[in-house]
Amino acid sequence: QQPVQSPQAVILREGEDAVINCSSSKALYSVHWYRQKHGEAPVFLMILLKGGEQKGHDKISASFNEKKQQSSLYLTASQLSYSGTYFCGTENDYKLSFGAGTTVTVRA
Amino acid sequence: NAGVTQTPKFQVLKTGQSMTLQCAQDMNHEYMSWYRQDPGMGLRLIHYSVGAGITDQGEVPNGYNVSRSTTEDFPLRLLSAAPSQTSVYFCASIGGRTEAFFGQGTRLTVV
Repeated sequence: QQPVQSPQAVILREGEDAVINCSSSKALYSVHWYRQKHGEAPVFLMILLKGGEQKGHDKISASFNEKKQQSSLYLTASQLSYSGTYFCGTENDYKLSFGAGTTVTVRA
Repeated sequence: NAGVTQTPKFQVLKTGQSMTLQCAQDMNHEYMSWYRQDPGMGLRLIHYSVGAGITDQGEVPNGYNVSRSTTEDFPLRLLSAAPSQTSVYFCASIGGRTEAFFGQGTRLTVV
């Protein structure tokens, strides 16, 4: 079953922040986050393996609440290069399922 | 190191035809999977494999077949193509339950 992502889309001005949420109905071993530019393959951002863990990638960070089976991706001080579609992936028993994606548009 | 090689990049099929999408990885990863991507639906898992000789169904397996005879290769077969299978297909490879590496994608159109 696919995890549920929200919001579906967000529009930002450069420098603004955003949060993308991901939730699953199943217990998770890990949560992945990827970004996809138009016409390209998804690219790995980060993986979270433990409950309550937070990781960072430049000004993009994420948290994972294992008990609630939820993860959030934080885009801080957004840049034009952050535009794209963000996917969360949830892994359980080696089965990696992705959400429907959140389209992020950053404008100058 | 090529990573994940997926072929072809583009394909047009007639309804009822069969074809095989190829996927190969050179990273010695145990875990490989196939996804289809449709507008507004994200990446949906078709089939996956946790090692040679082991495959399992994902969320949308109907109309597709897979096999994993070697660690490197994980082909996806469309048995009798239908217009509903028009999509972009991605193969992915994961080592040690870490990040997924994706192939370049195959844009398939069934007419």
